[in-house]
Amino acid sequence: DGGITQSPKYLFRKEGQNVTLSCEQNLNHDAMYWYRQDPGQGLRLIYYSQIVNDFQKGDIAEGYSVSREKKESFPLTVTSAQKNPTAFYLCASSSLAPNRGFYNEQFFGPGTRLTVL
Amino acid sequence: GENVEQHPSTLSVQEGDSAVIKCTYSDSASNYFPWYKQELGKGPQLIIDIRSNVGEKKDQRIAVTLNKTAKHFSLHITETQPEDSAVYFCAASNQSPYAGGTSYGKLTFGQGTILTVHP
Repeated sequence: DGGITQSPKYLFRKEGQNVTLSCEQNLNHDAMYWYRQDPGQGLRLIYYSQIVNDFQKGDIAEGYSVSREKKESFPLTVTSAQKNPTAFYLCASSSLAPNRGFYNEQFFGPGTRLTVL
Repeated sequence: GENVEQHPSTLSVQEGDSAVIKCTYSDSASNYFPWYKQELGKGPQLIIDIRSNVGEKKDQRIAVTLNKTAKHFSLHITETQPEDSAVYFCAASNQSPYAGGTSYGKLTFGQGTILTVHP
């Protein structure tokens, strides 16, 4: 069954702690993305990666870090430097259409809701 | 960078009516415009998308129109049903990795529209 999985679904963390959110895809997609969603707002891009061992900062990268050691995995670490980490975090992936010169649509995972206590 | 504005923020219709959500974008290099539906507590799901080489696309009760000159695109849902109730997001992107730079494939989202369809 192909798709994007995120774990855990709910995560609680104390202030000052780092926490890592998991994102795995078995779609063989080239690109992966992390978004943050706050109540009543759209999705904002944190980091994205178009190829293994390479990633780019999005619009709100401060206080976050990522790695892309494998094509199918793109974990996000929320560090203690992130001042307001409570949010819904969404991972997405997309493929580069062969011979067509553009990326296909982004598919999203089910999300992880992070709450800082 | 790209900026996407979406209106209205909330939309309430009666079952069977049509619903229209509008978005404007700022970057003329954007060439891909998807629409996502998000139900409570879930990830967004793509419902329709359009590329800049066409002006309109339909899929059953859903259609999207694009006006490249005015830099706006719209989602049209006809014969609305209660199960259409959700949050809808528009987005814009330059999807071509051959256009230069590293921002390709990156979606910029609108703020979302809460659609409520009353039975």
